Amino acid sequence: QVHMVQSGAEVRRPGASVKVSCQTSGYDFNTYSLAWVRQAPGQGLEWMGWISPYNGNTKYAEAVQGRVTLTTDTSTNTAYMELRSLTSDDTAVYYCAREYNRGWYYFDFWGQGTLVSVSS
Amino acid sequence: DIQMTQSPSSLSASVGDRVTVTCRASQDVNKYLNWYQQKPGKAPKLLIYAASSLQSGVPSRFSGSGSGTDYTLTISSLQPEDFATYYCQQSYTSFTFGGGTKVEI
Repeated sequence: QVHMVQSGAEVRRPGASVKVSCQTSGYDFNTYSLAWVRQAPGQGLEWMGWISPYNGNTKYAEAVQGRVTLTTDTSTNTAYMELRSLTSDDTAVYYCAREYNRGWYYFDFWGQGTLVSVSS
Repeated sequence: DIQMTQSPSSLSASVGDRVTVTCRASQDVNKYLNWYQQKPGKAPKLLIYAASSLQSGVPSRFSGSGSGTDYTLTISSLQPEDFATYYCQQSYTSFTFGGGTKVEI
């Protein structure tokens, strides 16, 4: 069965960077894109971007464009999300999700989430 | 960008009630509309995709309908485990989530 396991909670100072990992198993990593979604405390869900492990293609949301980089390591079936120039507004739980993309598009499996706290 | 507006933002209901949540897109999303359930401290869970297709393993009391810009999630008979927050998501152009609907006792 599909599993997506994310790295642990992180605390950063404003201006710093953070890199969150998402290790997957149970399916062919190369054939599904990986999406990243974040949720600020008490707030809704915000899509950040996706990456195709097959060819490295990416698409980013305007809100984080220029500060976020999504990468994958196909040798370990792991996806990474790096966010730079952090501010307190980036304090959130960050989720990876598998993007089903055969005709219809939706997120069918999710990681458990990684809390990133940004505070001086 | 496509904006998604859910209503209501919260509702109170009892076990056994029929519950309806609506989602309106700022433009036609051609049934590229998904619904998720999220419980506190947990990742979202896919319920419905393509406006009306039930994800495997999801109880049949959940159903979705709609087309164009207007979509509905219905829970036919609310169960104790259904108290949660529900989000719609358009996947027609990139991805956008609605603001969420909290279903409370």
